[in-house]
Amino acid sequence: QQQVKQSPQSLIVQKGGISIINCAYENTAFDYFPWYQQFPGKGPALLIAIRPDVSEKKEGRFTISFNKSAKQFSLHIMDSQPGDSATYFCAASMGWGATNKLIFGTGTLLAVQP
Amino acid sequence: GAVVSQHPSRVICKSGTSVKIECRSLDFQATTMFWYRQFPKKSLMLMATSNEGSKATYEQGVEKDKFLINHASLTLSTLTVTSAHPEDSSFYICSATGEFPEAFFGQGTRLTVV
Repeated sequence: QQQVKQSPQSLIVQKGGISIINCAYENTAFDYFPWYQQFPGKGPALLIAIRPDVSEKKEGRFTISFNKSAKQFSLHIMDSQPGDSATYFCAASMGWGATNKLIFGTGTLLAVQP
Repeated sequence: GAVVSQHPSRVICKSGTSVKIECRSLDFQATTMFWYRQFPKKSLMLMATSNEGSKATYEQGVEKDKFLINHASLTLSTLTVTSAHPEDSSFYICSATGEFPEAFFGQGTRLTVV
């Protein structure tokens, strides 16, 4: 119930392509869904977050799509660049914002080939 | 975004000694701080949650006597790994939340116990 399932485990995309990472959850009490980007040897950095009252949120090249009925959400990276190569984690928590503990997905290692 | 500074970034210690890791919120008051452990190519595992002035809440399976957490001020939390052993070698990351709904992460500390 507390798990967040993330796929794929790894992803290779050509420069300029669209990277898509998917997450699914079971606990309907979750109502905050952030995505984090992590480079090797660094801490995660918040990319974008969404609440379940909206179906899509876009910030620059990053878009979250949220399907409440299916309990799924995804990250789309448009016009992927080599600098986007990193590990991406989805997460979920109960209560708006991370004052409640985050449950992380297993991570997706993205490689964008030039 | 807000800045969370973690120190040291790398530390090597001898087996049986203790190591202290600091997590500071530089430009906001962190009412809640979280400590995570991350194994290579794995997700973040929450170890404990600390609120300023209160005892930390540890996740199941985390030894509170081995991983001592102190959150004595609104800008500083410390994690002390006591009597460290090689199996404690890992990447430790803190995050902090305050007046913002988001969690901001430190850059992590690579602990190697020899």
